[in-house]
Amino acid sequence: QKEVEQNSGPLSVPEGAIASLNCTYSDRGSQSFFWYRQYSGKSPELIMSIYSNGDKEDGRFTAQLNKASQYVSLLIRDSQPSDSATYLCAVKAGNMLTFGGGTRLMVKP
Amino acid sequence: DAGVIQSPRHEVTEMGQEVTLRCKPISGHDYLFWYRQTMMRGLELLIYFNNNVPIDDSGMPEDRFSAKMPNASFSTLKIQPSEPRDSAVYFCASSSGWGGMNTEAFFGQGTRLTVV
Repeated sequence: QKEVEQNSGPLSVPEGAIASLNCTYSDRGSQSFFWYRQYSGKSPELIMSIYSNGDKEDGRFTAQLNKASQYVSLLIRDSQPSDSATYLCAVKAGNMLTFGGGTRLMVKP
Repeated sequence: DAGVIQSPRHEVTEMGQEVTLRCKPISGHDYLFWYRQTMMRGLELLIYFNNNVPIDDSGMPEDRFSAKMPNASFSTLKIQPSEPRDSAVYFCASSSGWGGMNTEAFFGQGTRLTVV
């Protein structure tokens, strides 16, 4: 069973702080890694993708990938209350996209 | 483009009834996925199609579930007979060139199914 693991949270951070979300995966053949944001009652929305080891930055978001450790993370700088949502890590191996259970992030004003 | 369109948005049905969920993928996308989301199990892939052909249905929970894609612009997920444990949010997603690395899947708004 190929697994993607996330801490369910909630992760609570004050407004303006850095939120750090983590994800581990079991399939070493995984090639592509995604972070989706899902607001309550809404559909998942892609916010970051990363394919090679290292960091990838997009605005306030930075995705980090370490294939040797089978670890993916998402940093959100200057967190805003509007960032409060569930963040889903997704890992693609071949044509299969497997999701983690998600981490609920709460940003408090 | 209007994105992936699912209907209905909400469905309440009685146990034993047939339920049909519908999905219109983004025009030009050649991959279509059906996911189910519950609090207990998260997002699970049920089945996916490539060029209207079912490729992997290993996630379909049992024979009560069936999915079809008669053409590139329409897919259905049918549950017959429905049971209370089928209550979940069902998402349809589509993608273009999914086999490549640098592709993403776009999700519809989902159908919230409640079986009473």
